[in-house]
Amino acid sequence: QKEVEQNSGPLSVPEGAIASLNCTYSDRGSQSFFWYRQYSGKSPELIMFIYSNGDKEDGRFTAQLNKASQYVSLLIRDSQPSDSATYLCAVRYNTDKLIFGTGTRLQVFP
Amino acid sequence: DTEVTQTPKHLVMGMTNKKSLKCEQHMGHRAMYWYKQKAKKPPELMFVYSYEKLSINESVPSRFSPECPNSSLLNLHLHALQPEDSALYLCASSPSPGQVTDTQYFGPGTRLTVL
Repeated sequence: QKEVEQNSGPLSVPEGAIASLNCTYSDRGSQSFFWYRQYSGKSPELIMFIYSNGDKEDGRFTAQLNKASQYVSLLIRDSQPSDSATYLCAVRYNTDKLIFGTGTRLQVFP
Repeated sequence: DTEVTQTPKHLVMGMTNKKSLKCEQHMGHRAMYWYKQKAKKPPELMFVYSYEKLSINESVPSRFSPECPNSSLLNLHLHALQPEDSALYLCASSPSPGQVTDTQYFGPGTRLTVL
């Protein structure tokens, strides 16, 4: 059974701080890793994807992948109240199927 | 055109009705997906069409019937649904099924209520 685990939160951070969201996965055969942001009542929006070990930066977002530890994280720098949403980690193995974690709810307070 | 569109945005139907959900993309993507999402849960995969062929069916009840008339269009036909089928139905597409770099992009969803 392939699993993706996230802390459901809420993770509360003050405006301007760094928010750190974590995800672990069970299968070492995992190939691709994705972070989606989902506002309440809306559809998931792709934030970052990463395939190789290490860090990948895009604006205020940094994805970190450690395949040896089966761990992927998302850092959000200079967090804004508009970043308040549920962040879904998704992992793809060797098919077209994504396995989603249950999501972490982030709250950024002014 | 860089988005996935879904119609209708909202749908209310009775248990004896037949309705269809429509999804369209004009990005040249070669895979399209249907997901179901209940409140406070992650999206749950239902079907995958890869190069217009059904490649994954996650043991979905036959009251849900997918159709992929062409590479840009995906339908989900609904018949004799149950109230527990009420959910947000999400369509997604991706450019390169089977590739490590393939990435799924979601449409806005159809909010379905079954009475």
